Amino acid sequence: QQPVQSPQAVILREGEDAVINCSSSKALYSVHWYRQKHGEAPVFLMILLKGGEQKGHEKISASFNEKKQQSSLYLTASQLSYSGTYFCGTVRTGGFKTIFGAGTRLFVKA
Amino acid sequence: ETGVTQTPRHLVMGMTNKKSLKCEQHLGHNAMYWYKQSAKKPLELMFVYSLEERVENNSVPSRFSPECPNSSHLFLHLHTLQPEDSALYLCASSQEGTGGYGYTFGSGTRLTVV
Repeated sequence: QQPVQSPQAVILREGEDAVINCSSSKALYSVHWYRQKHGEAPVFLMILLKGGEQKGHEKISASFNEKKQQSSLYLTASQLSYSGTYFCGTVRTGGFKTIFGAGTRLFVKA
Repeated sequence: ETGVTQTPRHLVMGMTNKKSLKCEQHLGHNAMYWYKQSAKKPLELMFVYSLEERVENNSVPSRFSPECPNSSHLFLHLHTLQPEDSALYLCASSQEGTGGYGYTFGSGTRLTVV
């Protein structure tokens, strides 16, 4: 079951904040987040392994609500370099393969 | 070299051709994956190899044939493809069984079937 990402696209001005959500209909073991720039490979940002876990990566952080089977990616004080497509990947409880969401396109303008 | 390397970067082939995509990882990972990325579609899992054994074949047509001769190399053999198979093919690797690590992706092979 593919996780659902929202929003599909977002446009920000430099310095603004954004939240990207990822939700699943199945119980999750972990959630991965990736960023892919045009013409490049997806780059791993972070993985969250248990409910309530939060992680940070520069000004990008994420949380994982195990009960709601949701994860959110927080981008604060966005920079031009944050532009790209953000994918969440989910691993179900008892599973091993990662299923990716459709992606959220983020465009940061000066 | 470090990371995950894919060759070729671009490939144009006719529907009657046979070609192979190559992936090599220098990370010591024990699992490798093939994903297909089409325009406006999510990443689609094709094959998973864990410890050199195929553990997943995600209903992929037989015109795609994977091969994993060792833990560092992964191939995708292509024959009699269709135009709808045109896409970006991404290889990834990870270390499974250690509590969760992300995937490292290669730069992909942009395949065009004519």
